[in-house]
Formats: sequence, structure tokens, C-alpha cells
Amino acid sequence: GQQVMQIPQYQHVQEGEDFTTYCNSSTTLSNIQWYKQRPGGHPVFLIQLVKSGEVKKQKRLTFQFGEAKKNSSLHITATQTTDVGTYFCAGDAGNNRKLIWGLGTSLAVNP
Amino acid sequence: GAVVSQHPSRVICKSGTSVKIECRSLDFQATTMFWYRQFPKQSLMLMATSNEGSKATYEQGVEKDKFLINHASLTLSTLTVTSAHPEDSSFYICSARLLAGNEQFFGPGTRLTVL
Repeated sequence: GQQVMQIPQYQHVQEGEDFTTYCNSSTTLSNIQWYKQRPGGHPVFLIQLVKSGEVKKQKRLTFQFGEAKKNSSLHITATQTTDVGTYFCAGDAGNNRKLIWGLGTSLAVNP
Repeated sequence: GAVVSQHPSRVICKSGTSVKIECRSLDFQATTMFWYRQFPKQSLMLMATSNEGSKATYEQGVEKDKFLINHASLTLSTLTVTSAHPEDSSFYICSARLLAGNEQFFGPGTRLTVL
């Protein structure tokens, strides 16, 4: 079946260091979405990437969608303690519009 | 906009009882809602896709007679965990999607504990 692999599973950084999480799909996606879940909270939509090779920025966050529309990355520059949480990618294969979720990357930031 | 509420936020029940969880889209209509289950420090596991006015589509391995879903209106979907057992204890989260959009808006979740 369709799968979305996400690495790393955990990442521990010092405040100010950069952070990147990667997603790789077994199939071509129509779009990929990124969500953030704070500890004890629920997932919150961050962004959607649709076009091949697309790059979008939200302040210190940079999102990329691969040329083949099978992989994506989220990069955070100069992490802050407010960035703590689990970041999920979710791929939409476009057939029945349900999302295929990555396992998430839990980010811990030392102040 | 795009706010989803979920009720109750927390429930503790005895083994064998049934628990109903409500998911409401407060400021938009959602023809499709999703029900997820999440274990501690794990990813979201899609249980079923709930479509207004029709039967829910369950994921493989999810018992439809155990987890009853009713999506009677464009703003309300309910999940009933029937004859709950301790292994059903989990965090249940619903999400809703706008009619013309792909992103999902999540409710705050319901933490179910079955004693």
C-alpha cells in the first residue's frame, strides 16, 4: 500500500540550531501537507505544497516539495523553544482524498 | 475560521459501556470528516472517513460494528465506541475538510480511558 516514510523520528537540538525533517512517499503525490502537534495538543495545519519543486517559506520555516512529487522536507532555521512539538507530513495521493501520514518527527529544543 | 470542536475532551468509563464522541465543524460545512486514533508518542492512525448522508468508509482492521460512525449533518459526526474495553483506551481525534480544500482541521481530541 501507499506509504510515507518520515525521518528522523526524534531530534534534540540546542536553541539556535537548525532542524530538518524529511518525508518520502512510495507513490507520486498530488500534494503534501505539513502539520504540527504540540505536546498534549492536536495537529495544526501548517502548509500545503502542490507544485513540483515548490518551495514555500513561513518565517523561519522552509518547506520543499521534490521535483518528482514524492519527497518533501521541512527546515527550521535557528530553532526556538516554541518550535517544540511533533511535525507530521501527510501525503495526498489524490484518489480518494484521504491523507497518508508520516510517523512524525518529534523535536525537542534545549534552551 | 475553520474551527472544529470535539466533545467530550476526556472520558473515563467502565469496561463494557459505550461511549459517544461528537465532532462539530463550528463555522463551516464539512461533507467529509475523518476519525483518527493516536497512541502516546505515535502517529495518527486513520480509523474511518465519515461522509455526510452515507456510510462511513473504514480502514482495514477497524471493526465497523465496534466503532459506529454517524454523519447526520454537514456539521456533526459522531463516533460511538461500543462495549469499550481497556485496549480501546486512546486519544481519538476528528478532523474536517472544507468543501473546496485539501487541508484538514482537527478537533482538540478526546482522551478515552476504559477501566
